[in-house]
Amino acid sequence: SYELSQPPSVSVSPGQTASITCSGDKLGDKYVCWYQQKPGQSPVLVIYQDNQRPSGIPERFSGSNSGNTATLTISGTQALDEADYYCQAWDSNTGVFGAGTKVTVL
Amino acid sequence: EGQLVESGGGLGQPGGSMTLSCAASGFTFSNYAMSWVRQAPGKGLEWVAAISGGETTYYADSVRGRFTISRDNSKNTLYLQMNSLRAEDTAVYYCAKNSGFIKKDGVDVWGQGTTVTVSS
Repeated sequence: SYELSQPPSVSVSPGQTASITCSGDKLGDKYVCWYQQKPGQSPVLVIYQDNQRPSGIPERFSGSNSGNTATLTISGTQALDEADYYCQAWDSNTGVFGAGTKVTVL
Repeated sequence: EGQLVESGGGLGQPGGSMTLSCAASGFTFSNYAMSWVRQAPGKGLEWVAAISGGETTYYADSVRGRFTISRDNSKNTLYLQMNSLRAEDTAVYYCAKNSGFIKKDGVDVWGQGTTVTVSS
């Protein structure tokens, strides 16, 4: 079955840039979405179609996808961005989530 | 944007059955694909199943043959029939609305989740 790999954790200082990677075989040939989940809350879509932001998502969130790796970038990270982030894609007729990355804003 | 409210969770027996429901409001339900996503205690998100507006269904390998996703557009309701329950099915189950093309556009509305515990 298809797998998406994410680093378990990423630490970033306030105001700096956080980059979260998501790796999978020929991932660049698929569309990737990214979700943010804070403790005790339902997930929130922050990026779809690799690099599109839903309405209401701040411009500091951006995405890219090429080759075997997709990346979610948070520019000018704020304390409120501290959360778990999950990438998600489809392989054939099955949806797949990455295991998630905990972003800590130090 | 819409609202989703799940129900039907609770304690289930190993090998038993349970049906989850999800009541949708605030959008034209029949126009959108819908999904179920679960999260085991302390774990990450796991995609479970999806159904298109045209009622094409998709399943994770872990539930295929045991779970059935369906929808009743006249009642604006999504269902997940779960049979042959296993301990590893224990999770919070989220109902979710796909924002557009099912394999491209992601889920833009999530319910609050309903908890399923499988234990004897």
